Amino acid sequence: EIVLTQSPGTLSLSPGQRATLSCRASQNFGNTYLAWYQQKPGQAPRLLIHGSSNRATGIPDRFSGSGSGTDFTLTISRLEPEDFAVYYCQQYGSSPYTFGRGTKLEIK
Amino acid sequence: QLQLRESGPGLVKPSETLSLTCTVSDASISSSASYYWGWIRQPPGESLEWIGNIYFNGGTFDNPSLTSRVTISVDTSKNQFSLRLNSVTAADTAVYYCARGVRTYNGQVFFDYWGQGTLVSVSS
Repeated sequence: EIVLTQSPGTLSLSPGQRATLSCRASQNFGNTYLAWYQQKPGQAPRLLIHGSSNRATGIPDRFSGSGSGTDFTLTISRLEPEDFAVYYCQQYGSSPYTFGRGTKLEIK
Repeated sequence: QLQLRESGPGLVKPSETLSLTCTVSDASISSSASYYWGWIRQPPGESLEWIGNIYFNGGTFDNPSLTSRVTISVDTSKNQFSLRLNSVTAADTAVYYCARGVRTYNGQVFFDYWGQGTLVSVSS
C-alpha cells in the first residue's frame, strides 16, 4: 500500500499570501495519478486537481498542482478567506487508492 | 447538476451488517462507460479511506483490507448503488461518502462528485 505523507500538518497564513502544500509518496505509483481535495468542516471533499496538474471544473486558477514520481505540490497563489480548510492528496495509480492525512490551512 | 445522496441506518450494532444506498440524481449510472461509482469513508477527525468502486455492469474492485467484509452492488433500474459491510466493529464508525469516479483511459479512477456523507456509528 502506498503511503502519502503530507506536510506541513498545519499551515498558518494570511489572506493574500501564497500557500505551498506538499504530498510525498512512499513509492512511485506510475504516471501522475494524483488528486487534491479541499474539505471544509461538515462538508464532503471537493475535487480541486486531478492528474497532478489538471484543475477540476469550476476551480479558480489560483489553485495549481505540480509534480510527478513521488513528490507533488499544491500551490494556492493568493489566499482568499474561503480557502482556509483541510487539503488531502490522493493517489489513484495503484490499488488500494490511498489518501494523505491532510494539511490544515488556517488563518494566521 | 449531478447529485448523490447516501441513505441508511445511522446506528449499527457490533457484529451486524452496515447497509447503505447511494441514489444518483440528474445522471444515469448506466449512461456512460466513463464512470465508476465509489464508496469512501472518514472516521471522526481522521483522513479518508477508499472502500471500493463499482461499474455500471456490476464489475467491482475494492480495498484489499476490506474485501472479505465488503459487498458493493448496483441497481441501474433505480439509479442506485449500495454498500454492505459485515461484521462491523467500533473501528467502522465513520462518515460514509458515495462518489462518482472518473475513469481515465487506462482504468484509474479519481472522484469528482461526492454525496454529503452519512455518519454511521457502531455501538451496542
